[in-house]
Amino acid sequence: NAGVTQTPKFQVLKTGQSMTLQCAQDMNHNSMYWYRQDPGMGLRLIYYSASEGTTDKGEVPNGYNVSRLNKREFSLRLESAAPSQTSVYFCASSRDPFATNEKLFFGSGTQLSVL
Amino acid sequence: DQQVKQNSPSLSVQEGRISILNCDYTNSMFDYFLWYKKYPAEGPTFLISISSIKDKNEDGRFTVFLNKSAKHLSLHIVPSQPGDSAVYFCAKRPPGANSKLTFGKGITLSVRP
Repeated sequence: NAGVTQTPKFQVLKTGQSMTLQCAQDMNHNSMYWYRQDPGMGLRLIYYSASEGTTDKGEVPNGYNVSRLNKREFSLRLESAAPSQTSVYFCASSRDPFATNEKLFFGSGTQLSVL
Repeated sequence: DQQVKQNSPSLSVQEGRISILNCDYTNSMFDYFLWYKKYPAEGPTFLISISSIKDKNEDGRFTVFLNKSAKHLSLHIVPSQPGDSAVYFCAKRPPGANSKLTFGKGITLSVRP
């Protein structure tokens, strides 16, 4: 049972470099999410995709782009990395975006450092 | 506007005793509340939830209490075990289609053997 798989687990970038964080889920979930976790800030939503073919901004979308490649995969791209984007990134998925009691299932995270 | 507040960043308790983790929230009376647990180098995992129509929900050693008049949520762990040492996030989701979870900053629980 893989659940939600994120790659890479660790990444170091220089300011201005670009990269894509990959996420895939094998639970046939409809919705997928990208969060970032910073010390003392909790989990903040960057972007989400309620269903295949749709994406929407979350709380902190600036500096990021996303692609919902298919139902399984949801990638997060940093076009020009900045030190402020140093964080731990979590991908999550859920079955039904319209159910109030819906739970999120998280990947194990990507530790990103931008120097 | 911080909609979910976990004002105590850390808590340390003795093994076997009760752990009480607190959470305050603002806005809607009809939100749905969840607690997530996170170990180092792992993603958060769902622990327990409660609907706004309930005052209490219990699952084994874990009980969540909801005080709607005070807009306060608490997670009780009895008895606490060293394996409970983790970061605990309180989260809420308002009613309505496609609404999003809002997380608190988290509380680091340490259970001393």
